[in-house]
Amino acid sequence: QSILTQPPSASGTPGQRVTISCSGGGSNVGSNYVYWYQQLPGTAPKLLIYRNDQRPSGVPDRFSGSQSGTAASLAISGLRSEDDADYYCLVWDDNLSAWVFGGGTKVTVL
Amino acid sequence: EVQLVESGGGLVKPGGSLRVSCAASGFSFGSSTMNWVRQAPGKGLEWLASINSASSYMYYADSVRGRFTISRDNTKNSLYLQMSSLRAEDTAVYYCARDGLYFSSTVTIPFDYWGQGTLVTVSS
Repeated sequence: QSILTQPPSASGTPGQRVTISCSGGGSNVGSNYVYWYQQLPGTAPKLLIYRNDQRPSGVPDRFSGSQSGTAASLAISGLRSEDDADYYCLVWDDNLSAWVFGGGTKVTVL
Repeated sequence: EVQLVESGGGLVKPGGSLRVSCAASGFSFGSSTMNWVRQAPGKGLEWLASINSASSYMYYADSVRGRFTISRDNTKNSLYLQMSSLRAEDTAVYYCARDGLYFSSTVTIPFDYWGQGTLVTVSS
């Protein structure tokens, strides 16, 4: 059971907007950067968002991140079939002196 | 091109030991903090350990501290995870991932590149 809480699933039809939350506490989301990763079936995770809201080069601007207080979120706008994947948030926890992944959210494109 | 290639996975009996490796290329390995992450079948990602560039700092998850040891050889551009006292619950795909340095090393992006993973199965 992760200390970062993500909804286990989310879904939408092509073109819709989907938002995934990552809820933590003051020692993690509330005080450190949040990172987001996409994992397509059978592949390694891929960095989507760094430092709460920054996109690496090559990541479409359909993906956006935000953070407020002890919660962060990843939004996918203009949902496409290739977005069907698992999504994880990652934060450093100051109390644990450890990296912590959220439990992951399975996004299904209907 | 950044490449991380894990190897050394396989079948090991409970209580046994195994060392997995990660060969790095395409970047300045000796300047980068490196990490191990695992994923049990059908489960989420679990961070295991991190080591800084000079091997002067190592951090471990509680679940593996005292059983797993992270190390690196900068002369061989290689990262290692020595695993001992293995249990069935250690069965997973083990990934290495680097912390990338950007903008003249002023910005660190953790876990920006990942290897393809190596499967470790602990079973009698």
